[in-house]
Amino acid sequence: DAGITQSPRHKVTETGTPVTLRCHQTENHRYMYWYRQDPGHGLRLIHYSYGVKDTDKGEVSDGYSVSRSKTEDFLLTLESATSSQTSVYFCAISDNRQGGLPTMNTEAFFGQGTRLTVV
Amino acid sequence: RKEVEQDPGPFNVPEGATVAFNCTYSNSASQSFFWYRQDCRKEPKLLMSVYSSGNEDGRFTAQLNRASQYISLLIRDSKLSDSATYLCVVMTTDSWGKLQFGAGTQVVVTP
Repeated sequence: DAGITQSPRHKVTETGTPVTLRCHQTENHRYMYWYRQDPGHGLRLIHYSYGVKDTDKGEVSDGYSVSRSKTEDFLLTLESATSSQTSVYFCAISDNRQGGLPTMNTEAFFGQGTRLTVV
Repeated sequence: RKEVEQDPGPFNVPEGATVAFNCTYSNSASQSFFWYRQDCRKEPKLLMSVYSSGNEDGRFTAQLNRASQYISLLIRDSKLSDSATYLCVVMTTDSWGKLQFGAGTQVVVTP
């Protein structure tokens, strides 16, 4: 299995509090992603990163920020948690097939997920 | 319209039967295609990549139809353990590294 871990695995937090989820990889992959998964919507991209300090928004980025200060860690922050952000969050990693060039990526490997409940 | 669409199912399949389902994508710049499997409350895991000429991995066959912009997955001789949600994943050349997921097709294999 790919070396990718998420922490925490479960969290309950109150509305209005900031929350940070961590994704850590040991594969030295270039790309890292944060998705949320909700019934009826499947996996939706929140933010992704294509290198250290290089990030871009996905389709559901409002209310979330990310940071990637080193290759192995990608942090997702909910600046002020709301009940609509109750979800399962997955981190994923992938890499370039030929390294460095925007050619076809390898498949993505996922972390085990973080179940976040905002009350 | 969603970029990647799948029939949510469920497809109820008798053990030993064959089941097939499609995934359509809207962006003609789509370049890489994958099928993932997700078991309940677990992370998605790669089932197989989809190549232009079609490819087979044991009981699983994937096809790509660029003209009609869909990919398909066929499962032969279904096993109870094949019960899962199958996710279609697409990556486009105009946004390298950005993976788009379908919402998934649920397959239930019954004894």
